Amino acid sequence: GIQVEQSPPDLILQEGANSTLRCNFSDSVNNLQWFHQNPWGQLINLFYIPSGTKQNGRLSATTVATERYSLLYISSSQTTDSGVYFCAVALEGDYKLSFGAGTTVTVRA
Amino acid sequence: DAGITQSPRHKVTETGTPVTLRCHQTENHRYMYWYRQDPGHGLRLIHYSYGVKDTDKGEVSDGYSVSRSKTEDFLLTLESATSSQTSVYFCAISERGTSGSLSYEQYFGPGTRLTVT
Repeated sequence: GIQVEQSPPDLILQEGANSTLRCNFSDSVNNLQWFHQNPWGQLINLFYIPSGTKQNGRLSATTVATERYSLLYISSSQTTDSGVYFCAVALEGDYKLSFGAGTTVTVRA
Repeated sequence: DAGITQSPRHKVTETGTPVTLRCHQTENHRYMYWYRQDPGHGLRLIHYSYGVKDTDKGEVSDGYSVSRSKTEDFLLTLESATSSQTSVYFCAISERGTSGSLSYEQYFGPGTRLTVT
């Protein structure tokens, strides 16, 4: 199956700092999603981004499908950004997602 | 928020007992999924459905069965629960994108925490 690798596994930030999370995948995909799992366990959709760049407030994401990676940018981090960020992909022609192991982000006040 | 509910939200059961988890959606989406989440493993697909009465296995399907008798409900059954099935279970839904898009953006329910003692 497709391999999804996220880095770094853990990230500790001071409030106000910027950060970049990376997702590498091993095959061509037609779906790539970024999720935020908050400390209460809820999975929140951040981006559907199989290619290109999107922005939503302080968050933005870029996927370079030809090079098989995606980046999630967090700017001016806040304590509410804490949690686990997951990247998930689906192979071309498929609709089932494969998840990376996640990046745990801790933002300190 | 996508209209997805899961019940129960928490359950403690004993080894060997049957358990059924319910996922209910109000979005009329065709595709539904069950995942489990365990420390160190992220989310792993158990079973999925691509229509009423159409289901298939995911990567960790042993010990689980599913049923989908109507569009809005997808049931996950542990026929005889084991301690290794202690986990958080998430349901998800998706639909094919419009305008020729092949997107199947998934949305997740709130999860069910199951403990098997």
